[in-house]
Amino acid sequence: NAGVTQTPKFQVLKTGQSMTLQCAQDMNHNSMYWYRQDPGMGLRLIYYSASEGTTDKGEVPNGYNVSRLNKREFSLRLESAAPSQTSVYFCASSEQDYYGYTFGSGTRLTVV
Amino acid sequence: DAKTTQPPSMDCAEGRAANLPCNHSTISGNEYVYWYRQIHSQGPQYIIHGLKNNETNEMASLIITEDRKSSTLILPHATLRDTAVYYCIVRLQGAQKLVFGQGTRLTINP
Repeated sequence: NAGVTQTPKFQVLKTGQSMTLQCAQDMNHNSMYWYRQDPGMGLRLIYYSASEGTTDKGEVPNGYNVSRLNKREFSLRLESAAPSQTSVYFCASSEQDYYGYTFGSGTRLTVV
Repeated sequence: DAKTTQPPSMDCAEGRAANLPCNHSTISGNEYVYWYRQIHSQGPQYIIHGLKNNETNEMASLIITEDRKSSTLILPHATLRDTAVYYCIVRLQGAQKLVFGQGTRLTINP
């Protein structure tokens, strides 16, 4: 089925470890986004990529890096994980700003 | 982007119409109103959007007041599966960021 695929679905890290969250979309969308959602909270934008080759910071970029590998893939890297980064991470994509976003099913990350 | 205000929670009986209000009194002329919902910690799902005319699709209807300072999302025949958090978002055309607030937690009761 067409959509946004995120891997892994669950991950437990120790403080200081690094990892990369993967996101891929097969809808030929230009724009891609990374959000985080803490318990009981709304989504907050970490980084976004308006088109292949460009990335920009969102509301909460500290502690993260991103790579727009190609049009399909947009990865989020935690270089040195901290307990404050325990959250659910959602990737999304959109064709144009006029249209709605399509979200992935999320990566549930726990940092201990 | 204009700020939105939604009630934190609402209840509705199964089979009845669910009417979710949203205030966006500072909306500007070229800002769209979007509605998303999030079921049980899944990824948010796009529902509908509009600029000034009322809109309807297979999921819902969107009623925007003439002065555009408020809107209502209508789920015509709510089912238990419509239990979710509903987000009203105002977004400038051309803006990349979609800013989520706290939303309304809608509970459909049998």
